[in-house]
Amino acid sequence: DAKTTQPPSMDCAEGRAANLPCNHSTISGNEYVYWYRQIHSQGPQYIIHGLKNNETNEMASLIITEDRKSSTLILPHATLRDTAVYYCIVRENTNAGKSTFGDGTTLTVKP
Amino acid sequence: DTAVSQTPKYLVTQMGNDKSIKCEQNLGHDTMYWYKQDSKKFLKIMFSYNNKELIINETVPNRFSPKSPDKAHLNLHINSLELGDSAVYFCASSHLVHPSGNTIYFGEGSWLTVV
Repeated sequence: DAKTTQPPSMDCAEGRAANLPCNHSTISGNEYVYWYRQIHSQGPQYIIHGLKNNETNEMASLIITEDRKSSTLILPHATLRDTAVYYCIVRENTNAGKSTFGDGTTLTVKP
Repeated sequence: DTAVSQTPKYLVTQMGNDKSIKCEQNLGHDTMYWYKQDSKKFLKIMFSYNNKELIINETVPNRFSPKSPDKAHLNLHINSLELGDSAVYFCASSHLVHPSGNTIYFGEGSWLTVV
């Protein structure tokens, strides 16, 4: 699986949009971009994933650049409960979960 | 209903003991995993089973023995526990292959402390 690079930490004001970047310059054509988050003392939680097109669900939006070498997770209206470690992972659809969760980005939402 | 459930949530035991952590998923997935998260918060895969067959074994000591009685269960047995085994162990499941991506769903974790 391709490696990803994320900033170690970010702050965001409550109610504002949180934009979390991820670089995956060695991504291959059949690898998806996945985002998970881990709230303290809980299991990682799936947020969203995409291949080429931008994606949106009830939790977040995923913007993937045209060359697919980077992506941005957008939480449109961050709340205090969104404070967590956010992991960006790239993996093949047929991969048996061998993806490595890197250090992720610790997002702190402040009042 | 809890999708991926693991027990016990907390486990404190002495060095040298043998312990098991159980995991069950009710999502109809054919693949299950065990991940380990150490004190540095790095989440690393240990094992993966597809339809009860081992498909990933990430150089984990053979003191760790996963057992999958059926595709909805993947238990982790640890022999001769060592201090370095103290960590949070996460069970997870997914489809091996899915047309729209094989999202992995995690349990809530089992906190193992070896003293």
